[in-house]
Amino acid sequence: GAGVSQSPSNKVTEKGKDVELRCDPISGHTALYWYRQSLGQGLEFLIYFQGNSAPDKSGLPSDRFSAERTGGSVSTLTIQRTQQEDSAVYLCASRPAGAYEQYFGPGTRLTVT
Amino acid sequence: AQSVTQLGSHVSVSEGALVLLRCNYSSSVPPYLFWYVQYPNQGLQLLLKYTSAATLVKGINGFEAEFKKSETSFHLTKPSAHMSDAAEYFCAAYGNNRLAFGKGNQVVVIP
Repeated sequence: GAGVSQSPSNKVTEKGKDVELRCDPISGHTALYWYRQSLGQGLEFLIYFQGNSAPDKSGLPSDRFSAERTGGSVSTLTIQRTQQEDSAVYLCASRPAGAYEQYFGPGTRLTVT
Repeated sequence: AQSVTQLGSHVSVSEGALVLLRCNYSSSVPPYLFWYVQYPNQGLQLLLKYTSAATLVKGINGFEAEFKKSETSFHLTKPSAHMSDAAEYFCAAYGNNRLAFGKGNQVVVIP
């Protein structure tokens, strides 16, 4: 079946611009996660969505970061007023109910110039 | 909160030799542990998982890992390295609504 998909695969933006990153989870998976991967910080948790519950936003690094999940499926991660330190690969993952393993998409490589 | 330690960021192994990647976790509750592999410019692919069933877990591509509670370890092994095993490997533990990852091991396979 189809895996997790993310778009765009690459995004180059100027400092100060807003960007939106999209994630389509595996159909039927109830949980959705965003992580960030950078050379200096490794893999960091950003946010977690589970069904209709309030998301766990405890990993978002600043109030410039936000995310939403519409209809329990597609999710969008928005970064406002991008900074150079936001340059990283943003990974989305989904998890089926009753399991703990997560399935990752290919990521979006964000470069802020 | 879960934390995971992987030592030795770069690991070189000869083709056909044993691959051994070490992972230690710290947790006060039964852990849910995973190994992921990442090939260049790709996402993370699940290699194997431990979820409190058998302590020796077999995964894809000939990899296996053994859970040892007394040592808080979950080391990854493969008896014979193949060139296609060159990649980055991450150990992870699930808890508190997230995966906590180790810093990863970059595996280089020498022909």
